[in-house]
Amino acid sequence: NAGVTQTPKFQVLKTGQSMTLQCAQDMNHNSMYWYRQDPGMGLRLIYYSASEGTTDKGEVPNGYNVSRLNKREFSLRLESAAPSQTSVYFCASTLVPDTGELFFGEGSRLTVL
Amino acid sequence: TQLLEQSPQFLSIQEGENLTVYCNSSSVFSSLQWYRQEPGEGPVLLVTVVTGGEVKKLKRLTFQFGDARKDSSLHITAAQPGDTGLYLCAGPKSGSGNTGKLIFGQGTTLQVKP
Repeated sequence: NAGVTQTPKFQVLKTGQSMTLQCAQDMNHNSMYWYRQDPGMGLRLIYYSASEGTTDKGEVPNGYNVSRLNKREFSLRLESAAPSQTSVYFCASTLVPDTGELFFGEGSRLTVL
Repeated sequence: TQLLEQSPQFLSIQEGENLTVYCNSSSVFSSLQWYRQEPGEGPVLLVTVVTGGEVKKLKRLTFQFGDARKDSSLHITAAQPGDTGLYLCAGPKSGSGNTGKLIFGQGTTLQVKP
């Protein structure tokens, strides 16, 4: 079972470059999320999608855009990368929001120089 | 602002010792979850607690939800090297409806030495 798949796993960007992180889940979940993880700060929610075509901001949405292409895929785009966006990004999905298990991908490590 | 504060932030112990990790807030949570994360991987759910005072056991791990639903603890008995990892508590953001928008604590890094 693939679960939640993220690409790429590693990426180095220069300030001002753009890129898209891809995420796909094969568990037929409606709810999908993008989190970022920084040392000593746990995980912080960037964006959330309850279903295809709907998205909502999380705690730290500035500098990011998302697209819920279909039920399986939820992408995160950095239009003009900044060093402050250096982080590990996790995509997650769940069948039951709030109390259900959140299934995470393996993460995408992004460095912005 | 809702916050979940974990303590300690780092714990290094010998195999066989017992330990407790705390997750505290000044806010009430409808439920709390505990995740474990190993290096290079995403977090994996260990448990969800939903009732104040609830105690759940998972082999050598005991989870407790405070009576007032503002805090939780994770107790590990006879820790093993395989318990090494980052432990995260998380709870639903107040007022977010049933969206699954979770607030995470900053994490407790546990190192168990053989």
